[in-house]
Amino acid sequence: GAGVSQSPSNKVTEKGKDVELRCDPISGHTALYWYRQRLGQGLEFLIYFQGNSAPDKSGLPSDRFSAERTGESVSTLTIQRTQQEDSAVYLCASSLAPGMRTGELFFGEGSRLTVL
Amino acid sequence: AQSVTQLDSQVPVFEEAPVELRCNYSSSVSVYLFWYVQYPNQGLQLLLKYLSGSTLVKGINGFEAEFNKSQTSFHLRKPSVHISDTAEYFCAVITSGGYQKVTFGTGTKLQVIP
Repeated sequence: GAGVSQSPSNKVTEKGKDVELRCDPISGHTALYWYRQRLGQGLEFLIYFQGNSAPDKSGLPSDRFSAERTGESVSTLTIQRTQQEDSAVYLCASSLAPGMRTGELFFGEGSRLTVL
Repeated sequence: AQSVTQLDSQVPVFEEAPVELRCNYSSSVSVYLFWYVQYPNQGLQLLLKYLSGSTLVKGINGFEAEFNKSQTSFHLRKPSVHISDTAEYFCAVITSGGYQKVTFGTGTKLQVIP
């Protein structure tokens, strides 16, 4: 498709289990972001990938969170040993290289994670 | 590094009244500025953006914003709101020509009252 695709759209898991969330950005977009949005809250930055540069992991809340991106394509966000406070919508966004005259982000629909 | 401040977390306004949502930014270099909207239970979408040129930018659904460099502001306005404008609005900034990540404000919830 033409937009940012995220899967799964909904995930219910038990406390202590690991989960993987997937993001497929728009083709040609070198920048990719992960955000967390808790119920009724704003956007919480998690991690930023830009081309082949080292990712900016400054927003990851704990070492239970990690993310990978292969080249300029798919990214996976992994949460190990999930806790109830991890329940949120995880949003992925992509954009063209920031050096270009744009910077506009295109968001996916998000993955809603519920930890029981 | 850049930063964005949205002082109003919630703004209630009556239908057909005007509204202004405030956004201030901080950056030592030139920036691009954006407003995104998130309707209930939906993802974020771009409302409008300022890259260069005219400081008054018009977006979708009758919204507009004015870039004020001296006041480092990018306030969002609409002369007459509708019930359908009830949503959360996020201001965002990125340094132009650089490779820093986009920075978002904390969001403003606009509640239109019938």
